[in-house]
Amino acid sequence: DQQVKQNSPSLSVQEGRISILNCDYTNSMFDYFLWYKKYPAEGPTFLISISSIKDKNEDGRFTVFLNKSAKHLSLHIVPSQPGDSAVYFCAASTLNRDDKIIFGKGTRLHILP
Amino acid sequence: EAGVVQSPRYKIIEKKQPVAFWCNPISGHNTLYWYRQNLGQGPELLIRYENEEAVDDSQLPKDRFSAERLKGVDSTLKIQPAELGDSAVYLCASSFEQGQRGYTFGSGTRLTVV
Repeated sequence: DQQVKQNSPSLSVQEGRISILNCDYTNSMFDYFLWYKKYPAEGPTFLISISSIKDKNEDGRFTVFLNKSAKHLSLHIVPSQPGDSAVYFCAASTLNRDDKIIFGKGTRLHILP
Repeated sequence: EAGVVQSPRYKIIEKKQPVAFWCNPISGHNTLYWYRQNLGQGPELLIRYENEEAVDDSQLPKDRFSAERLKGVDSTLKIQPAELGDSAVYLCASSFEQGQRGYTFGSGTRLTVV
């Protein structure tokens, strides 16, 4: 039973346009959400996070939106750059110190020239 | 600051053979994690250490997998004997505490069992 779902295995976006990566979750106990970025042959790197008390968190070109009622979050990248081509993992957890982070399957983003 | 260091980067072994992976976390990071990432999947937690204590090993297949973190620093993950289904990338990560700012992952060890 997947608790964190990324239903789009891949996404292609023109350079300079907006990339929107989506993520759904099923566990209503999750109250902390993270996005990781992964290049080939490297480990995932932390990108941005959001707690459930917020509906938006922005960091430079990256913005994460959280819709708790829909159990949905999205990552917006504006403008998209060639270096953004990577696999993006959505992850969720609770702020309980003993709870683990659950990852989605990832979405491969291709930025087209 | 050096990141999380893992070795080897790649390993190919025959089934039924043993294999071990090594991880050196970021200095001062008390919490260490071993994750497994199967092809096309997200990372899945195998075991979490707080210092030298394994505080969550519920997902570790204990019949063939073992791990240790001596002196609360470096860690090794062992599989004996390996099976074909163990082929995956094994990721080590560390954090100062149960990381809500995100873990720092190593580059992983890609294991292929033939």
